[in-house]
Amino acid sequence: DVQMTQSPSYLAASPGESVSISCKASKSISNNLAWYQEKPGKANKLLIHSGSTLQSGTPSRFSGSGSGTDFTLTIRSLESEDFAVYYCQQYNEYPKYTFGAGTKLELK
Amino acid sequence: EVQILETGGGLVKPGGSLRLSCATSGFNFNDYFMNWVRQAPGKGLEWVAQIRNKNYNYATYYAESLEGRVTISRDDSKSSVYLQVSSLRAEDTAIYYCTRRAYYFDYWGQGVMVTVSS
Repeated sequence: DVQMTQSPSYLAASPGESVSISCKASKSISNNLAWYQEKPGKANKLLIHSGSTLQSGTPSRFSGSGSGTDFTLTIRSLESEDFAVYYCQQYNEYPKYTFGAGTKLELK
Repeated sequence: EVQILETGGGLVKPGGSLRLSCATSGFNFNDYFMNWVRQAPGKGLEWVAQIRNKNYNYATYYAESLEGRVTISRDDSKSSVYLQVSSLRAEDTAIYYCTRRAYYFDYWGQGVMVTVSS
């Protein structure tokens, strides 16, 4: 199975700052990567698929980049609603989908 | 509006079984593959099972870690998908989510908690 390694596990930032989250695959997954946001009491939200394609409704301050084994989720100008947990997921080896361990973005 | 609602969770003794249900609305259920994904307390997300649609002969796929103990099924007439889990173990304690679509999951339910404990 493809292992997904996310870093950092925790990230503290302030509103207005920009942050980046890394996701590394144990082997090439082309651009078959998605990013999700998890918030308490809400359904998980798909933010980005195909490495860099914003899902409808995802604010433009979110961006995804990378291909092969290295991927990055960047959030520019953080807003209060962005403090959440973020997961990456590979779907190159479907249906053996695997997720990263998550990154908790906390308010500094 | 797409809606996904999981039910059927609860407290189950080790060795027991459970059937989770996922009722959906707001989209043409027949067109979509459906999945179950779980999250153990304090852990990350783990894909559990997928069922494809009629065009793909309702093919089913399972995570190796659960194969043989889980069965995913669907009822297109009710826009619902189900997950039967048997021989439950403490490590099956998790929130179980129902998700839509192949590859990446564009809609999720809020999940249902399953606790396996004596």
